[in-house]
Amino acid sequence: NAGVMQNPRHLVRRRGQEARLRCSPMKGHSHVYWYRQLPEEGLKFMVYLQKENIIDESGMPKERFSAEFPKEGPSILRIQQVVRGDSAAYFCASSISQQETQYFGPGTRLLVL
Amino acid sequence: RKEVEQDPGPFNVPEGATVAFNCTYSNSASQSFFWYRQDCRKEPKLLMSVYSSGNEDGRFTAQLNRASQYISLLIRDSKLSDSATYLCVVNGAGGSNYKLTFGKGTLLTVNP
Repeated sequence: NAGVMQNPRHLVRRRGQEARLRCSPMKGHSHVYWYRQLPEEGLKFMVYLQKENIIDESGMPKERFSAEFPKEGPSILRIQQVVRGDSAAYFCASSISQQETQYFGPGTRLLVL
Repeated sequence: RKEVEQDPGPFNVPEGATVAFNCTYSNSASQSFFWYRQDCRKEPKLLMSVYSSGNEDGRFTAQLNRASQYISLLIRDSKLSDSATYLCVVNGAGGSNYKLTFGKGTLLTVNP
């Protein structure tokens, strides 16, 4: 059973470009969570999605960030007009239900030049 | 007060040593507690959940004190492969049971 998959693993963008991060949950998991880890910091919750629904986006910056989890295909975290402060590791996790253990993917390391 | 606060570390111990990590949390509504480990530049992996009665998994023992809002992890007979960052994690932020709050982690290096 494949684990949570994320791609790309590394992404380099120049300021002002867009970044798209993809996450495929574990098989059978319909709950997806995105977390961000800034350098030397703990992981911070960003958003929680179920298929076609955003359940909780209280951790998302108000501007430039959006997330989706379509009926078909992976969940996407989109960052428009990236700035240097967006440089971080972005981890996706999935669970079989809201109460169950969250399993993390390998992360996408975003570097904004 | 930080939501989850851990020993800043780092800890450097010889193989075979016993090492203890401490963690405090501020949200008294938290219901679930975990220790994750994170290897350098990798994803967090669940080490163990922490239960009120305390629980043990091989060389690892976790304790929870709800009254003091304190969590601990004890590693006995440490191995080189235990070298990692240990993350104290609680849920319950904002009244949710899914929103995990992570400590910054404590780096452990086990030396030969």
